[in-house]
Amino acid sequence: AQTVTQSQPEMSVQEAETVTLSCTYDTSESNYYLFWYKQPPSRQMILVIRQEAYKQQNATENRFSVNFQKAAKSFSLKISDSQLGDTAMYFCASGLYNTDKLIFGTGTRLQVFP
Amino acid sequence: EPEVTQTPSHQVTQMGQEVILRCVPISNHLYFYWYRQILGQKVEFLVSFYNNEISEKSEIFDDQFSVERPDGSNFTLKIRSTKLEDSAMYFCASSEQGQSYGYTFGSGTRLTVV
Repeated sequence: AQTVTQSQPEMSVQEAETVTLSCTYDTSESNYYLFWYKQPPSRQMILVIRQEAYKQQNATENRFSVNFQKAAKSFSLKISDSQLGDTAMYFCASGLYNTDKLIFGTGTRLQVFP
Repeated sequence: EPEVTQTPSHQVTQMGQEVILRCVPISNHLYFYWYRQILGQKVEFLVSFYNNEISEKSEIFDDQFSVERPDGSNFTLKIRSTKLEDSAMYFCASSEQGQSYGYTFGSGTRLTVV
């Protein structure tokens, strides 16, 4: 069975600093994909970044980057130059190509302080 | 930027009543999904819908649940006879190319069954 674990329920960071959110997953499949979603307070979930397991290169989207360690089944999200607007709940999720569903972690609540 | 719109944002219903949660996916998207999040728990997959039929459903999606795309723009989730344990945030999502490319989520409907 697929599982996704986010071991940090809450984190905080000062504006302009860098923060890393952890995610580990478990799957017996060799082909899968991983996501980070951001959910600001009272707002919809937004896709932050996507990684396909067959790609060794870590995905990057502006200030957001991942550290994908396939052997360790780890998929952490690094936010550089944190901004107040980054305050949100962050969900890690995984999916397989032969199924429609995504498996989500429990989320990490990130607070960015001025 | 195109959005997935969900209505209502909050619905309170009595146990045993039927509820319909409404979603307007992004117009050129072909894949549609419902997820739910019970307070404090993980976001869970309910059902996926493509080409006017259910493509996959979870164990949660029993005979009490149904989905419909009645008019080519709306995508609805019906719960026939609500139970207390159906209280949750329900998220609609849509995707142009399928789940592996990521979803666009709506802001959710908070359903409270009393």
